[in-house]
Amino acid sequence: NAGVTQTPKFRVLKTGQSMTLLCAQDMNHEYMYWYRQDPGMGLRLIHYSVGEGTTAKGEVPDGYNVSRLKKQNFLLGLESAAPSQTSVYFCASSFYAGGADTEAFFGQGTRLTVV
Amino acid sequence: AQSVTQPDIHITVSEGASLELRCNYSYGATPYLFWYVQSPGQGLQLLLKYFSGDTLVQGIKGFEAEFKRSQSSFNLRKPSVHWSDAAEYFCAVGARRDRGSTLGRLYFGRGTQLTVWP
Repeated sequence: NAGVTQTPKFRVLKTGQSMTLLCAQDMNHEYMYWYRQDPGMGLRLIHYSVGEGTTAKGEVPDGYNVSRLKKQNFLLGLESAAPSQTSVYFCASSFYAGGADTEAFFGQGTRLTVV
Repeated sequence: AQSVTQPDIHITVSEGASLELRCNYSYGATPYLFWYVQSPGQGLQLLLKYFSGDTLVQGIKGFEAEFKRSQSSFNLRKPSVHWSDAAEYFCAVGARRDRGSTLGRLYFGRGTQLTVWP
């Protein structure tokens, strides 16, 4: 009963390096989201996906790219990491059932530090 | 535009005391409303949610919240706080999705940190 799984849990990057965060869900949800959490800012949406092969920008998409090649996976990429991207990243998923939205299920987070 | 305001950044209560965390939202229609809790180093756990119907909703761990449309509020309450309730609490508004729309997402408040004194 895994739910939403994020890998890795911790990562330290040097400025300019690239990396990919993986989010996997086993609940057959259509919708997946990437948020970042910064102190005093709550969670802000980076990108989201409403189905396999689709992605859309959230409120803070700059510097990030995403892909949803498989329904169960949602990848978040940083092409050239910057210190401003030091944050805790959360993946979430949800489904849309017969006209009603449902709750979002969150992963445990990835703590990323860019030095 | 949708937004969520949690006016209290930090609240301290004594164990056994009652608790109310405030949440106000701005949304053009009836929203979906959520309260999440985050313990240190952990992800977000759903406490309760309001989609429709009874405006007083019960959640896990003895929490409840009341949706007041006239005040655009969704305050979280607990009659008697336990030390294990110390955590950060987030209120969120969910945008309702229309047919074919991709608007479904959550808007979060900035969080309220709860400290519980023994």
